[in-house]
Amino acid sequence: DAGVTQSPTHLIKTRGQQVTLRCSPISGHKSVSWYQQVLGQGPQFIFQYYEKEERGRGNFPDRFSARQFPNYSSELNVNALLLGDSALYLCASSLEAGYEQYFGPGTRLTVT
Amino acid sequence: GIQVEQSPPDLILQEGANSTLRCNFSDSVNNLQWFHQNPWGQLINLFYIPSGTKQNGRLSATTVATERYSLLYISSSQTTDSGVYFCAVDLPGGSGNTGKLIFGQGTTLQVKP
Repeated sequence: DAGVTQSPTHLIKTRGQQVTLRCSPISGHKSVSWYQQVLGQGPQFIFQYYEKEERGRGNFPDRFSARQFPNYSSELNVNALLLGDSALYLCASSLEAGYEQYFGPGTRLTVT
Repeated sequence: GIQVEQSPPDLILQEGANSTLRCNFSDSVNNLQWFHQNPWGQLINLFYIPSGTKQNGRLSATTVATERYSLLYISSSQTTDSGVYFCAVDLPGGSGNTGKLIFGQGTTLQVKP
């Protein structure tokens, strides 16, 4: 069975631009969560979606938004990119909200 | 908010040695997961262990929820064990777990041949 997939793998953007990251959960998983990992730190929680509804939001500005589609895939959008948004963005899926989470390979975003 | 602390921050071992990684958390949690992050950034699930002891090959983990800590044991370490080990906890919510994982800062393990 395929694991969690994310696209693109790498991305380079300029300050002020907007970016959309995509995630496909493990088949049958209904919950998707997004995390940001900056170099040298543990991942930080951004959003959780379950059954297409936002169930949780971390301490991130309104420039960050997300949504979940009827097929349970998800997109993370970041507007008005800052240099500090450069990070590895990880998507995780779980069978239900609060169950064991499985992570995708991540999207490495570089903002110049 | 809850604090998750991992120790040691860095660990260097000779191949074949054993090690114990520790994760302390400051409040009650419903779930705890251990991950290994490889050099390419992939987080690999090791254990889902809210309490008790589990073993998988050379790795085992124990969580004592009442005392707010978890231990990850690596026996007969191999160079492929190198990488960063994270523990992450899930906070209890109104209707069960929140699904919001709080990660520690990680333990960076280097196994030398």
